[in-house]
Amino acid sequence: GENVEQHPSTLSVQEGDSAVIKCTYSDSASNYFPWYKQELGKGPQLIIDIRSNVGEKKDQRIAVTLNKTAKHFSLHITETQPEDSAVYFCAASTGGGNTPLVFGKGTRLSVIA
Amino acid sequence: GAGVSQSPSNKVTEKGKDVELRCDPISGHTALYWYRQSLGQGLEFLIYFQGNSAPDKSGLPSDRFSAERTGGSVSTLTIQRTQQEDSAVYLCASSLEVGYTFGSGTRLTVV
Repeated sequence: GENVEQHPSTLSVQEGDSAVIKCTYSDSASNYFPWYKQELGKGPQLIIDIRSNVGEKKDQRIAVTLNKTAKHFSLHITETQPEDSAVYFCAASTGGGNTPLVFGKGTRLSVIA
Repeated sequence: GAGVSQSPSNKVTEKGKDVELRCDPISGHTALYWYRQSLGQGLEFLIYFQGNSAPDKSGLPSDRFSAERTGGSVSTLTIQRTQQEDSAVYLCASSLEVGYTFGSGTRLTVV
């Protein structure tokens, strides 16, 4: 089955700097790659997603890139703010997003003011 | 409703007791998922319901775990004879096409 590895497990950045979180997946049939943000005491919230027919997607300060050949995808957050501090999860699925997701173990991002 | 609602938000139970966790998905969402999140870990898939199809139970860790979804809406996750290793946050999510909406979870503590 699918296996998703996520790095780093913790990341500290200064406010205003960029943050990059990387994930690799094992199943070449995976075609949907979302990213979730989880704040303390809350459920994960979808922040951006990308499908396998696209190499990059951007939404304001957040961007995701996908390299299908290498089977890895990354989350980029620019101009980080203290409210970006949270745990971020990557995930992958083979069913275009309407089937169970396999999640990475998460990255705890701390943005230092 | 406006979001996915889970109850209770916290549950403390004694080892060996049965527990029921409830999930109220977003109205109209055909897919419903249960995940388990242990301390410092990622989200572990448990079970998936899609419309009237038979559920995908491939993630249930043992036969002590079961789930139902009545009328294509509310779902209940039941854990029988709870063990300390069952302590975790149990998250429910629903979706219509793509993109899950998660509830806030039920924190289960088995003592």
